[in-house]
Amino acid sequence: DQQVKQNSPSLSVQEGRISILNCDYTNSMFDYFLWYKKYPAEGPTFLISISSIKDKNEDGRFTVFLNKSAKHLSLHIVPSQPGDSAVYFCAASGSSGDKLTFGTGTRLAVRP
Amino acid sequence: EAGVAQSPRYKIIEKRQSVAFWCNPISGHATLYWYQQILGQGPKLLIQFQNNGVVDDSQLPKDRFSAERLKGVDSTLKIQPAKLEDSAVYLCASSLGGGGEQYFGPGTRLTVT
Repeated sequence: DQQVKQNSPSLSVQEGRISILNCDYTNSMFDYFLWYKKYPAEGPTFLISISSIKDKNEDGRFTVFLNKSAKHLSLHIVPSQPGDSAVYFCAASGSSGDKLTFGTGTRLAVRP
Repeated sequence: EAGVAQSPRYKIIEKRQSVAFWCNPISGHATLYWYQQILGQGPKLLIQFQNNGVVDDSQLPKDRFSAERLKGVDSTLKIQPAKLEDSAVYLCASSLGGGGEQYFGPGTRLTVT
C-alpha cells in the first residue's frame, strides 16, 4: 500500500525555467510534509517542509504548495539550475513529525 | 559538525550469510533511525531508537533482522541469514528528537548473491 506517491519517475527541465515536482498521499492522518534531495552515493538531505495548517512555504528558490482537500503537494524550483539535478523524495509524517513515509522519488535533470 | 557516519559503504555477501552495518549519529542526537531503500523505491523505516530504547520496529523483519543501540550512541543493524531480497541501501539517520529534521548518512549498499 503506497501511501505517498510520486507518479513521475523523471523530469527534464531547461536551466532557468521552473521545475514542478508532484506528490500525492492517501493517508488523511499525515500532518507534516517534507521534500528531500538525494545525489548519487549520498544520503537524502532535507530541503523544505510544510505543516498541514499552511498551504505554502517558501525558501529561496524552493516553494512547496499543499492542497489538503486533494491530498496533493508540489515542489516548485525557480529558476532551475544544473546543480538541482538529483532525485527528489516527498515524505510525510503524523503530527509527531517522526515516522516518515517516503514516495518513490522523481529524478530531475536540469539541462544547461 | 560531523555528519552521520556509516560503515561499510559497500558489502557483497552470499545468501544465507550474515552481515552487520554500523552507524554513528551526529553528536547529541537522541533519535536514530534505520531505513531500507530498495532500488527504485523510497526509503522505508525499519526501526527507530530514542536514546537506547526502541520506539518503533513495526516494519523490521524480526526473524532475520536485529538492531541495537547500546549506550544510546552508536548503532548496529544485523541481518542473519540474508536473502536475495535484502539487496538494498541501508540508510541511518539521526535527529535531535521530537520530530526534528532527520540527517542521513551516506548509506551502505548491500548486494546479496
